[in-house]
Amino acid sequence: DQQVKQNSPSLSVQEGRISILNCDYTNSMFDYFLWYKKYPAEGPTFLISISSIKDKNEDGRFTVFLNKSAKHLSLHIVPSQPGDSAVYFCAASRGYGGSQGNLIFGKGTKLSVKP
Amino acid sequence: DTEVTQTPKHLVMGMTNKKSLKCEQHMGHRAMYWYKQKAKKPPELMFVYSYEKLSINESVPSRFSPECPNSSLLNLHLHALQPEDSALYLCASSRPGQGFGEKLFFGSGTQLSVL
Repeated sequence: DQQVKQNSPSLSVQEGRISILNCDYTNSMFDYFLWYKKYPAEGPTFLISISSIKDKNEDGRFTVFLNKSAKHLSLHIVPSQPGDSAVYFCAASRGYGGSQGNLIFGKGTKLSVKP
Repeated sequence: DTEVTQTPKHLVMGMTNKKSLKCEQHMGHRAMYWYKQKAKKPPELMFVYSYEKLSINESVPSRFSPECPNSSLLNLHLHALQPEDSALYLCASSRPGQGFGEKLFFGSGTQLSVL
């Protein structure tokens, strides 16, 4: 049972255009959402996060939007750059008694930004 | 220093071997994690240590034995592994107490092959 779903395994975008990566979740108890970026042969690196009390968080070229009613979040990258080419993982978590690190990851979307 | 260092980067072992994976961070983080990631799958949590004590064991088989000798080091001892245990093993750390699902810093991983 996948609680965090990234239905697009890959996305190709032209340099300078907007990249939109989507993520859906099924567990309404999730209250914190994160995006990680992963290059080959490297560990995931944190990109941006959003709490369930917000609907938007922006950091430079990266913006995450959260639609709680639809249980959907998206990551917008504007403008896209070739260096953004990587696998992007959506992750979600919920708080429960004393546990930490209970991030649930999606399967990832491979973004390719073409020059 | 914002790095999580994992050694070795690659490991090939037989099913009767005993080996250890090592992880080190000097960011003062008091929570450390082991994740397992198979090809084209999301990272899956294995263990969490908080203040050098094991706080989460996600029903991992006993052939994987974690150890946290001090606040900077995390080991994963491997014994009698199976070929299906071949995967990328990721170590991560974070500052506990910030709330659940706080930002994790990942190492580059150890690519393990069990023959």
